[in-house]
Amino acid sequence: AQKITQTQPGMFVQEKEAVTLDCTYDTSDPSYGLFWYKQPSSGEMIFLIYQGSYDQQNATEGRYSLNFQKARKSANLVISASQLGDSAMYFCAMREDSYNFNKFYFGSGTKLNVKP
Amino acid sequence: KAGVTQTPRYLIKTRGQQVTLSCSPISGHRSVSWYQQTPGQGLQFLFEYFSETQRNKGNFPGRFSGRQFSNSRSEMNVSTLELGDSALYLCASSPRLSLNEKLFFGSGTQLSVL
Repeated sequence: AQKITQTQPGMFVQEKEAVTLDCTYDTSDPSYGLFWYKQPSSGEMIFLIYQGSYDQQNATEGRYSLNFQKARKSANLVISASQLGDSAMYFCAMREDSYNFNKFYFGSGTKLNVKP
Repeated sequence: KAGVTQTPRYLIKTRGQQVTLSCSPISGHRSVSWYQQTPGQGLQFLFEYFSETQRNKGNFPGRFSGRQFSNSRSEMNVSTLELGDSALYLCASSPRLSLNEKLFFGSGTQLSVL
């Protein structure tokens, strides 16, 4: 089974509007971390936001927030007030609290296009 | 602080050749991991090193190998290249091994196998 599922291969959003990128995950480990990364066309992966499985509140980082629904095993990224520079690939990732500390599982990504 | 540096940025090889990619982590980071990114398979974990020891290895053939030096710099080697090895190879580093520690990525090495 896929550890991370991103069901939206591509999305369009109007500049200044909010957009939600979906992510569901699969793990039996009670302790895990969820991450979102942005990958512009330059190739470098840029960290956006982190949510721990035991965190009580949804994570927020500036215009990014994470809608964490533990029972549904979903960790959707919300980008508020989209900007043209937000156009990029977005990856959801998970790390389980196991021996495989630094092994991340990545989703297939969502390509976001912000329209002026 | 300098970021994760990967060299070379682009590489073109032919089938059957071998290649070595280099990664210099952020100063002070002891964990280095490698990922292969292709349009079809997405990002797949190759291996991870911590203090010169390989801690984890992904599901790749033995043609893929790596090592880490005492200064935490890492290299990965692919022998007997195949067309399917064409990919963006990303290196990532982190200072510690903890659940909430994010990975810092380099810009990658784009390998094309002809």
